[in-house]
Amino acid sequence: EPEVTQTPSHQVTQMGQEVILRCVPISNHLYFYWYRQILGQKVEFLVSFYNNEISEKSEIFDDQFSVERPDGSNFTLKIRSTKLEDSAMYFCASGQGDRNEQFFGPGTRLTVL
Amino acid sequence: AQSVTQLGSHVSVSEGALVLLRCNYSSSVPPYLFWYVQYPNQGLQLLLKYTTGATLVKGINGFEAEFKKSETSFHLTKPSAHMSDAAEYFCAVSEKAGTALIFGKGTTLSVSS
Repeated sequence: EPEVTQTPSHQVTQMGQEVILRCVPISNHLYFYWYRQILGQKVEFLVSFYNNEISEKSEIFDDQFSVERPDGSNFTLKIRSTKLEDSAMYFCASGQGDRNEQFFGPGTRLTVL
Repeated sequence: AQSVTQLGSHVSVSEGALVLLRCNYSSSVPPYLFWYVQYPNQGLQLLLKYTTGATLVKGINGFEAEFKKSETSFHLTKPSAHMSDAAEYFCAVSEKAGTALIFGKGTTLSVSS
């Protein structure tokens, strides 16, 4: 069964450093998403991406964040200058759009020191 | 704006007992509704979804949920709990295909023998 994959599973970085989180969505999906979950809190939407552009973003997704689909398979989330409060589990999801069913990856745990 | 309220952050049941996890939503348009399950240190797995049509939806692992528009609810049930059901459960809502999922805070289900 096809699945969304994410790398790395755990990333530790120093405050102020740039990080890139990588995702490989399911191959025939057209919609891509990033969510985050701060420890003990609910899952929060960051951004959605369709047809090579951002289709929707939340207030969390400020200028420090960017997304890219550099080739036909990868979908990345970049945080330019990490802050302590960026420490969270970041989930990538993909879907075909119909019925809005989204399939989630296993997540990348980002720890900012 | 959409929102989801999950009543009870923690629910404990005995093995074999009925499971009832409550979810109420707010949406200005007919919603798409979802239940996801998260096992420790894993990603989110879709349990079931409601988009249109039959209001009683069946999902994986014996779970089902009923969409009640008059009560703005989408409660998750399972007739007989199993130890393997112990996990965190998230209710989510969205307005239309391709858009952000808005999650509730989650309910942790504990199952005792």
